[in-house]
Amino acid sequence: GQQVMQIPQYQHVQEGEDFTTYCNSSTTLSNIQWYKQRPGGHPVFLIQLVKSGEVKKQKRLTFQFGEAKKNSSLHITATQTTDVGTYFCAGPRGGTSYGKLTFGQGTILTVHP
Amino acid sequence: DSGVTQTPKHLITATGQRVTLRCSPRSGDLSVYWYQQSLDQGLQFLIQYYNGEERAKGNILERFSAQQFPDLHSELNLSSLELGDSALYFCASSAFSRIDTEAFFGQGTRLTVV
Repeated sequence: GQQVMQIPQYQHVQEGEDFTTYCNSSTTLSNIQWYKQRPGGHPVFLIQLVKSGEVKKQKRLTFQFGEAKKNSSLHITATQTTDVGTYFCAGPRGGTSYGKLTFGQGTILTVHP
Repeated sequence: DSGVTQTPKHLITATGQRVTLRCSPRSGDLSVYWYQQSLDQGLQFLIQYYNGEERAKGNILERFSAQQFPDLHSELNLSSLELGDSALYFCASSAFSRIDTEAFFGQGTRLTVV
């Protein structure tokens, strides 16, 4: 079945350093979503990418969707301590816009002040 | 605050027991999703209801069942509980049945089976 793999599993950075997490799907995705979960919190929707090669920015966060729509990345510039948490990508299983959302295992980001 | 309310926040119960988790979606949202989050399995989709009807099913065990009521709140019933069922259970809601829309997660119910 479809798998969504995320790397790295863990990332420790010093405050001010950049951070990138990668998401790879075994099948083509109709769209990909990114969520952030703070320690002890619940997942919070960040963004959705739909188009091949799409790039979206939210302040210091840059999201990319691959040309083949099988991979995606989230890049944070100049991390801050408020960026700590787990970042998940998620894609619909089966390549449609209905059904089951498959989450990656997440990347746990720790930012050292 | 996401607008999604889950109760209870914590639940401790013994193996073999049955529990019910409750979720009230955001006002106006018709879709409710249930997810299980554990350390070894990550965030796993269990089931989706849309306007009272089951819309999609994921890795939900036969011991688990769910329903969505006319007022759109949903309940997840877990029976014959095992130690391995200990996890964080999240409910999420969205306006539509399509999953390519923003979903809002509740605070979760932490279930501990002893």
